[in-house]
Amino acid sequence: EVQVLESGGGLVKPGGSLRLSCASSRFIFSNYTLNWVRQAPGKGLEWISSISISSSYIYYSDSVKGRFTISRDNSKNSLYLQMNTLRGDDTAVYYCATLRVSGTYEYFHHWGQGTLVTVSS
Amino acid sequence: DIQMTQSPSSLSAAVGDRVTITCRASQNINYYLNWYQQKPGKAPKVLIYSVSSLQSGVPSRFTGSGSGTDFTLTITSLQPEDCATYYCQQSFSSPPTFGGGTKVEIK
Repeated sequence: EVQVLESGGGLVKPGGSLRLSCASSRFIFSNYTLNWVRQAPGKGLEWISSISISSSYIYYSDSVKGRFTISRDNSKNSLYLQMNTLRGDDTAVYYCATLRVSGTYEYFHHWGQGTLVTVSS
Repeated sequence: DIQMTQSPSSLSAAVGDRVTITCRASQNINYYLNWYQQKPGKAPKVLIYSVSSLQSGVPSRFTGSGSGTDFTLTITSLQPEDCATYYCQQSFSSPPTFGGGTKVEIK
């Protein structure tokens, strides 16, 4: 049973745009800070963006700042990532993940299965 | 940014062996250290958070320890289903950063 599902990945040319979506049939997204984490082929994990519950706090990694925009719609239980000016090094599987937080811990809890973005001419 | 360095990058061990993976942070991260397991083609899954707290449903053969800058993930008796890549991650400061991963194979 898929509980968190990303969509919107695909093949795009350098300089192009793509919008990723993430939704959950099980978890109430409005209870969580949400994140995008990506993984280039054969490489490790890279956090790229997070958005707080009310969208008041938004953060980006330096690698995507100014090109990607994270947003959410709690009424639709959904998370989005608008990706512009895509480059070859943006090629990766993109995961959305909930953040579990308390005073003494903070970790990526529920992950989607990922969606592959390939940037190539 | 805080750099996380894992060692080794890969290892091969027999079923039943004790396996130890090390993670070092470039600065003190207190107890904000998590471990994830990722199997091929799958999303990562949290095993241990806050250095040593076992995530619900994770077998007790996985243990975490350490403090400050040096941390360890131990698999006390390696099982075939433990073949995976393991990542440490710090949540002490933004941006959250991951180690480069340790690939564990069965000998």
